[in-house]
Amino acid sequence: DTGVSQDPRHKITKRGQNVTFRCDPISEHNRLYWYRQTLGQGPEFLTYFQNEAQLEKSRLLSDRFSAERPKGSFSTLEIQRTEQGDSAMYLCASSYHWNTQYFGPGTRLTVL
Amino acid sequence: DQQVKQNSPSLSVQEGRISILNCDYTNSMFDYFLWYKKYPAEGPTFLISISSIKDKNEDGRFTVFLNKSAKHLSLHIVPSQPGDSAVYFCAATKAAGNKLTFGGGTRVLVKP
Repeated sequence: DTGVSQDPRHKITKRGQNVTFRCDPISEHNRLYWYRQTLGQGPEFLTYFQNEAQLEKSRLLSDRFSAERPKGSFSTLEIQRTEQGDSAMYLCASSYHWNTQYFGPGTRLTVL
Repeated sequence: DQQVKQNSPSLSVQEGRISILNCDYTNSMFDYFLWYKKYPAEGPTFLISISSIKDKNEDGRFTVFLNKSAKHLSLHIVPSQPGDSAVYFCAATKAAGNKLTFGGGTRVLVKP
């Protein structure tokens, strides 16, 4: 029974570059969530999918951010023209319908 | 506006004693609550949850209490063990399976 996996675990990029993160949920889970956590804060919701449909997006998700889940399995989160304020831990979680969300290890992004 | 608050940023407890973590919320629409534990450089790990139709839920050393009238919940860990040293997050949602709103976390240190 594999958990949620995320790739890469760490990403260092220069300001203005684009980055893409991947999340593979637990296999039978139909819901997938993205959160962002900055130092000293709790995770903040960004967006979530049920199967391939993106059902909700936070106002935190500016137009530089885009998320996809093309076949209802893995998901990608892309940040275009990264800014220093994008530096954070990006967390992915999955759940089966209304059940508990299980988190992956996160991708730590550092924008120089 | 911070809808979920953990007012104690840190807690130190002796091994074998009880750890009590507190969480307050403001949104009366929240009806499902969860506690997660987080180690450095890892994603949050689910601990225990409680529905608003209950006032207590127990799982081994972990018990969560919910006081709906006070919009307050607490997590009791008995007995505390050194491996419990981590950051604990309280989270709330309007329905199980929707986006989670997290508190800022409480760092617990269990001293041997």
